[in-house]
Amino acid sequence: KAGVTQTPRYLIKTRGQQVTLSCSPISGHRSVSWYQQTPGQGLQFLFEYFSETQRNKGNFPGRFSGRQFSNSRSEMNVSTLELGDSALYLCASSLAGSSGDNEQFFGPGTRLTVL
Amino acid sequence: QQQVKQSPQSLIVQKGGIPIINCAYENTAFDYFPWYQQFPGKGPALLIAIRPDVSEKKEGRFTISFNKSAKQFSLHIMDSQPGDSATYFCAASMSDDKIIFGKGTRLHILP
Repeated sequence: KAGVTQTPRYLIKTRGQQVTLSCSPISGHRSVSWYQQTPGQGLQFLFEYFSETQRNKGNFPGRFSGRQFSNSRSEMNVSTLELGDSALYLCASSLAGSSGDNEQFFGPGTRLTVL
Repeated sequence: QQQVKQSPQSLIVQKGGIPIINCAYENTAFDYFPWYQQFPGKGPALLIAIRPDVSEKKEGRFTISFNKSAKQFSLHIMDSQPGDSATYFCAASMSDDKIIFGKGTRLHILP
């Protein structure tokens, strides 16, 4: 069974640009969650999508948005990039969600560098 | 109240030693406490998890100790090996709400 895949793996952008990251969950998983990982803040929850609907949202500005398609693939978009957006962006999929005891399976992440 | 505080930030232990990573939480509504292990270049992976009605859980060389009254839980790695060198995250969650992660502990096991 293939794991969670994320593309691209590495990305370099400049301030003010926008970026779109993609995540393909494990087959059969309907929930996709996105996290930002930085050395100072650890793993911070961005949002979760389940069956194309945003079910939960973290405390990030509106520049961070996402969507999920009917095949459960998800994209995350960051507009007007800032230097502080440089981070590893992780996607996780699960059968039923990111809450409770639902096991999440993480992808390898997309390393975003904003210059 | 939604935070999970993890310590230490980094830890170096000799092979065969028992590294201990501690976490504390405030929200008593949390009812599931997983630990994730992350190797460089990889995403985190679930290692072991516990519910608050159990005081200890073992899986192989990994043990979670849980103190409900103190709102603390910890991960112990018995007979640690260089291959255990990784970043470890504790977390807490409850039904119908997002999971909260600690900031992580970078563990290095010396050969």
